[in-house]
Amino acid sequence: AQSVTQPDIHITVSEGASLELRCNYSYGATPYLFWYVQSPGQGLQLLLKYFSGDTLVQGIKGFEAEFKRSQSSFNLRKPSVHWSDAAEYFCAVGAKGTYKYIFGTGTRLKVLA
Amino acid sequence: NAGVMQNPRHLVRRRGQEARLRCSPMKGHSHVYWYRQLPEEGLKFMVYLQKENIIDESGMPKERFSAEFPKEGPSILRIQQVVRGDSAAYFCASSPGQGFLEKLFFGSGTQLSVL
Repeated sequence: AQSVTQPDIHITVSEGASLELRCNYSYGATPYLFWYVQSPGQGLQLLLKYFSGDTLVQGIKGFEAEFKRSQSSFNLRKPSVHWSDAAEYFCAVGAKGTYKYIFGTGTRLKVLA
Repeated sequence: NAGVMQNPRHLVRRRGQEARLRCSPMKGHSHVYWYRQLPEEGLKFMVYLQKENIIDESGMPKERFSAEFPKEGPSILRIQQVVRGDSAAYFCASSPGQGFLEKLFFGSGTQLSVL
């Protein structure tokens, strides 16, 4: 079955600390992978995406993600978290030729001052 | 350039009433997608529409739910005779064309609460 798992429902980090949000997927075809962020009262904003090529992908706001095919993972990282990063983060997977995303349940990030 | 606009942001309905959710795509976008996020679940695809056409409604419940995207005006997701299980966040996204490689732009969502 196709699915996306975000094992951490809530994560709390101190401002300035590093961050890693986990994402594992199960998908039959070659996956196209995405991370979205939803700040309070805002729509989903695309942080980064992976289609092919370099498995380390750079995104906006200083985020990066690494695709590891052997582990079926696409974890999101940031070296130093800012208070404005507090939001909910969604991992999603799809495939070429399809318009349907499969989303994870999200990870809510809290940042301590 | 305004983004995808959804209204209302919050909608409260009693069981048996109708709910209408609106989505205005980004300027120049003619493709609209509706997703639903039930509590403790990820967003799930419901329906894909182009102007005046439903392209794929495979994710829509067979009864009580309908969607349209008229030639003029916003896309409407309509839920008749709402039940408590319809309580969810409904997200709309739009794109300028059909192409998965194109970035989808999402709205802020409508939170539907059924009493």
